[in-house]
Amino acid sequence: SAVISQKPSRDICQRGTSLTIQCQVDSQVTMMFWYRQQPGQSLTLIATANQGSEATYESGFVIDKFPISRPNLTFSTLTVSNMSPEDSSIYLCSVVTGLGNYGYTFGSGTRLTVV
Amino acid sequence: GENVEQHPSTLSVQEGDSAVIKCTYSDSASNYFPWYKQELGKRPQLIIDIRSNVGEKKDQRIAVTLNKTAKHFSLHITETQPEDSAVYFCAASITGFQKLVFGTGTRLLVSP
Repeated sequence: SAVISQKPSRDICQRGTSLTIQCQVDSQVTMMFWYRQQPGQSLTLIATANQGSEATYESGFVIDKFPISRPNLTFSTLTVSNMSPEDSSIYLCSVVTGLGNYGYTFGSGTRLTVV
Repeated sequence: GENVEQHPSTLSVQEGDSAVIKCTYSDSASNYFPWYKQELGKRPQLIIDIRSNVGEKKDQRIAVTLNKTAKHFSLHITETQPEDSAVYFCAASITGFQKLVFGTGTRLLVSP
């Protein structure tokens, strides 16, 4: 399976500021996803990062708040913009690897606290 | 879109007992069903998965069953150990190149 390097691992940010989270994969992957895990909750998909085109956002998530870049098949960034305390969550990237026997791998996550 | 329900939300068992967690899904086109274990402060780790062409899969103390007709799948852990204590998530996807939709999670506590 792929190895994902996600950073930062954690950050404490002031409200109104933005934070960019990076995910680097050790192999080329077609699909990359960004999830949010609010405290004590399950994982919710924010968007699918598409290489060479705009990300596909899930209901309730918008590009202005969570802009995503995917410049190549091994790298993606998620920005959390104009943060408020409600954005305090763990953010995880995920990739699909393999073909017939595919699986999903997760980055180590970014624990964001907005104060 | 796909919706995955998971029960129970919490499960307490004695060491050595079996634990069963159940999930139902809504989209009959879903064909991949992984289970993840998440320990406090860590990323979800895949513990077992099943694809729609099989009804059951085992890996040592862990097994997953799938009933496509009823659209539900279950995780079975036998001979539970304290280190099995964690939050478990089920998920479903339509193909390997589509998003995973997660269940709400089950907090499993195994008491010595």
